[in-house]
Amino acid sequence: SQKIEQNSEALNIQEGKTATLTCNYTNYSPAYLQWYRQDPGRGPVFLLLIRENEKEKRKERLKVTFDTTLKQSLFHITASQPADSATYLCALETDSGYSTLTFGKGTMLLVSP
Amino acid sequence: DGGITQSPKYLFRKEGQNVTLSCEQNLNHDAMYWYRQDPGQGLRLIYYSQIVNDFQKGDIAEGYSVSREKKESFPLTVTSAQKNPTAFYLCASSINWSGGAFFGQGTRLTVV
Repeated sequence: SQKIEQNSEALNIQEGKTATLTCNYTNYSPAYLQWYRQDPGRGPVFLLLIRENEKEKRKERLKVTFDTTLKQSLFHITASQPADSATYLCALETDSGYSTLTFGKGTMLLVSP
Repeated sequence: DGGITQSPKYLFRKEGQNVTLSCEQNLNHDAMYWYRQDPGQGLRLIYYSQIVNDFQKGDIAEGYSVSREKKESFPLTVTSAQKNPTAFYLCASSINWSGGAFFGQGTRLTVV
C-alpha cells in the first residue's frame, strides 16, 4: 500500500526565511497530491493541490512542487511568519480502488520572531 | 455560512459503552469521511460514503459503525468492540478530491 514519509522532526526557522517541507511517497505515483495545515486540536485545512502533470503550483506565499520521478513533493512558505507555525500534512489519493486520501503524519513548523 | 460541524468537541464515556459522534455538513457534498488521529500518527480512514444510503469500510473499520440516511449527516458510532477508542475523530466532506476536503473541528473522545 502507499506509504507517505514526512519529516517527523519539527522544523524551526526564523521569521522572514523560507520554510521547505518534504513529502516522499512509495509505490505508484498518484494523479494528484494535496497539502493541508493543521493547528493543535483542530481539523486540517486544505491549502493546495498539485496534479501529476504540473511541476509547480503557487498560492500567495505558498509554493508546491511535484517530482514524480523522485516521488517527492516540496512545500515552501516564503517570508514565513509566526502565524505560519502549525503542522503541515501531505496527502495522496489512495491506491486501494476507492476515492479517498492517505495522509502523512505531518511535519510541525515553528517560526520564531 | 457553509461548513461541516462535528459535535460534541469533547466526549467522555465509560469503557463498554457505545457512543455516537455527530457530523453534519451544509456544503451539498456527496462524499463524507471519518478519520481517526492518534498522537504522532497520520489520519487513518475509518469509513467513507460517496452517496446517501451507501458507505464503505476504510482501513480501520473494526469496532465502528456508520449510517448515511441523509446527504447532510454521517454519524459515527464507536462500539464497545473497539479496543482502543480514545482518540481524536475527524469528519470530512468533499465534492471530489481534486478540490480538497473540508474537515470539521474534530471530536476528542476519551474512554475511561
